[in-house]
Amino acid sequence: KAGVTQTPRYLIKTRGQQVTLSCSPISGHRSVSWYQQTPGQGLQFLFEYFSETQRNKGNFPGRFSGRQFSNSRSEMNVSTLELGDSALYLCASSPLGGSYTEAFFGQGTRLTVV
Amino acid sequence: DAKTTQPNSMESNEEEPVHLPCNHSTISGTDYIHWYRQLPSQGPEYVIHGLTSNVNNRMASLAIAEDRKSSTLILHRATLRDAAVYYCILRDGYGQNFVFGPGTRLSVLP
Repeated sequence: KAGVTQTPRYLIKTRGQQVTLSCSPISGHRSVSWYQQTPGQGLQFLFEYFSETQRNKGNFPGRFSGRQFSNSRSEMNVSTLELGDSALYLCASSPLGGSYTEAFFGQGTRLTVV
Repeated sequence: DAKTTQPNSMESNEEEPVHLPCNHSTISGTDYIHWYRQLPSQGPEYVIHGLTSNVNNRMASLAIAEDRKSSTLILHRATLRDAAVYYCILRDGYGQNFVFGPGTRLSVLP
């Protein structure tokens, strides 16, 4: 069974640009969550999608958005990039997203904003 | 999500048991206790989770205090590959998402 796949693995962007990151969950999983990891703030929850609907949202500005497609693949978009957006972006998938099940994380996309 | 408190770092010798503590004094009755670990340059990896009873799986054991205000992750024989940051996380019964703390950085000495 293939794991969670995130593309691209590495990305360098310039301030002011926008970026789209992709996450393919494990087959059959309907919940996809996104996290930002930085040395200073640690792992922070961005948002969760379930069956193409955003179910939960973290405390991030509106520049951060996402969506989920009918095949459960998800994308997140960051517009007007800032230097502070440099981070490892992780997605996690789970069958239903409930607290009684485990989540499976991808290896992440490392975004560098210059 | 309720907060957890873990030591910043711990050290263990290879092939010895490791007990990683976690305090969660404000845990509610519907909170599940989850443990994940993150190896260098990788995403977090599920280790174990439980609600009230002690749990065992092929990776580790989870011992939960009777009042559920603390728990301990037990690695029965540490290997060098167990060196990672270990996160203790509470998730409520309504499926709210993970709130990660700083975790415990485990070093395993050969």
